[in-house]
Amino acid sequence: DAKTTQPPSMDCAEGRAANLPCNHSTISGNEYVYWYRQIHSQGPQYIIHGLKNNETNEMASLIITEDRKSSTLILPHATLRDTAVYYCIVKSGGSNYKLTFGKGTLLTVNP
Amino acid sequence: NAGVTQTPKFRVLKTGQSMTLLCAQDMNHEYMYWYRQDPGMGLRLIHYSVGEGTTAKGEVPDGYNVSRLKKQNFLLGLESAAPSQTSVYFCASSYPGPGTAFGQGTRLTVV
Repeated sequence: DAKTTQPPSMDCAEGRAANLPCNHSTISGNEYVYWYRQIHSQGPQYIIHGLKNNETNEMASLIITEDRKSSTLILPHATLRDTAVYYCIVKSGGSNYKLTFGKGTLLTVNP
Repeated sequence: NAGVTQTPKFRVLKTGQSMTLLCAQDMNHEYMYWYRQDPGMGLRLIHYSVGEGTTAKGEVPDGYNVSRLKKQNFLLGLESAAPSQTSVYFCASSYPGPGTAFGQGTRLTVV
């Protein structure tokens, strides 16, 4: 599985969009990009995943660059409850088999 | 639909004692996993199972055993607890369907 690089921390003002970057320059053609988040002391929560096209669901949007070497998770209107560690994971196939977690990005949403 | 349920939520063990962590999922998922998370670190895979009656080693399997006698249950055993096994343990399940579902964690302290 391709390695990912994320900034260790980011801040965002409540109500503004939070844009979390992820670099995955060695991604291969059959690897998906997954995003999870972990709110303090809780189990990780699946957010979204994608292969090539941009994806949107009720939680977030995922923008993947055309060369697929990087992606951005967008929380359109961040709230205080979005404060969490966000993990970007690259994985082959679509079944989420054996996720490998890095240290992620601690997003702090400020009032 | 309870998702992934872990029992117990907290436990304190003395060095050398044994215990079993229970995990149950009601989503008919094929794959189940046990992770541990130490302070400031991402999750590390201990053992996993791709179906009833199967188990396999993950990244940090030493000192742990697992069993999956029923599809919905995945047990994690510590035969002789050591202080190095003090951690938060997360059970998870996946496939079919998008995303991996995680339990709320078991905080284990070995003194």
